[in-house]
Amino acid sequence: DIVMTQSPLSLPVTPGEPASISCRSSQSLLESSGYTYLDWYLQKPGQSPQLLIYLVSKRASGVPDRFSGSGSGTDFTLKISRVEAEDVGIYYCMQALETPLTFGGGTKVEIK
Amino acid sequence: QVQLQESGPGLVKPSETLSLTCAVSGASLNGYYWSWIRQPPGKGLEWIALINYSGNTFYNSSLRSRVTIARDTSKNQFSLKVMSLTAADTAVYYCARYFADSGTGWFDPWGQGALVTVSS
Repeated sequence: DIVMTQSPLSLPVTPGEPASISCRSSQSLLESSGYTYLDWYLQKPGQSPQLLIYLVSKRASGVPDRFSGSGSGTDFTLKISRVEAEDVGIYYCMQALETPLTFGGGTKVEIK
Repeated sequence: QVQLQESGPGLVKPSETLSLTCAVSGASLNGYYWSWIRQPPGKGLEWIALINYSGNTFYNSSLRSRVTIARDTSKNQFSLKVMSLTAADTAVYYCARYFADSGTGWFDPWGQGALVTVSS
């Protein structure tokens, strides 16, 4: 199974400041087709997860452009350019290269 | 707008079988993959199973011997059965649509989740 490792576990942030979350996979998520199958999800308090980013860097419909994804191979980053109060929650990365689909352990973003 | 709604018993006894249903509106089962994911209280996400538009199924090997995913196209819903329950199966169970063609691989949207507690 592909192991997904996120850091940090917890991220206190100041509104208006940037934030960055790291995700590392135990093997490359690049397929021979050229696609890299890495997604990001946000689970806001008391809600189900919602898709933020797919294929490393593509924002899902309705996701603000302050969210951006980058990376390649086994190392990926989610960045929030200016954190807003509504961005609090747990962020998960997920690999979709192969089954079993696996998630990172999550990064809890909270306001300082 | 695609919406998914889980339904299930809430409380089940150890060793019994859990049956959950996900009702889909706004999209046909025939056009997509559909999936179950669970989240134990205070913990992370675990993928359980997928079923595609042809009825082919895919399971997490850690649960394969105890779970079955199925679909009912006449009702536009799909289901999950988990056998031989233990307390470790206590979790919120989510259903979700999964995009799985070449160049795709993500869950969207997710249902609101159904809390299942395994306890005598």
